Amino acid sequence: DIQMTQSPSSLSASVGDRVTITCRASQSISNFLNWYQQEPGKAPKLLIYGASSLQSGVPSTFSGSGSGTDFTLTISSLQPEDFATYFCQQIYSPPLTFGGGTKVEIK
Amino acid sequence: EVQLLESGGGLVQPGGSLRLSCAASGFTFSKYAMSWVRQAPGKGLEWVSGISGSGYTTNYADSVRGRLTISRDNSKNTLHLLMSSLRADDAAVYYCAKSGSQWVAAVQGGSGYGMDVWGQGTTVTVSS
Repeated sequence: DIQMTQSPSSLSASVGDRVTITCRASQSISNFLNWYQQEPGKAPKLLIYGASSLQSGVPSTFSGSGSGTDFTLTISSLQPEDFATYFCQQIYSPPLTFGGGTKVEIK
Repeated sequence: EVQLLESGGGLVQPGGSLRLSCAASGFTFSKYAMSWVRQAPGKGLEWVSGISGSGYTTNYADSVRGRLTISRDNSKNTLHLLMSSLRADDAAVYYCAKSGSQWVAAVQGGSGYGMDVWGQGTTVTVSS
């Protein structure tokens, strides 16, 4: 099975900050990597697919990059509604696997 | 409006069974793979199982293989998850999610699209 290692597990940041979250796969997954945002008590929401494609309706402050085993989610300017938990997921090979999550908190 | 609505969650004793359902609307159900994803209280997301658009290909997480069975009825736009031999660590909110292609994973022929539609979740509690 492909293991997804996400870091950091949590971070504190201020509105307007640039935030970067990383995800590493245990083997190459090409660009079959998605990013999700989850607010407390709500279902996850797709932000980025194919490692770098922005899902429709998602603000352009979100961006993704990477290929192979190393991937990055960047929020260029943190907004109040961005304080949430973020998960990466590989859809290269079943079983599909998620990273452990990164909780973005207000500093 | 594209929508997924789960049902069937509840309290079940260890070793018991439960059947979850997910009613889909607003899209051509048979064209897309579907998955179940669960989240235990205070924990992260765990992909549980996926099924191709046709229903012929299914995949499972190691933790549930042999105990959970995914199926779909394309004539009724409904996804199911039959859960048996339930354990305490199966307790979670279970979400159904729509994939962006007819295949669950890229190695099966799937595209890079993510799980773009999610239900609101249904809660499974396993306790005596």
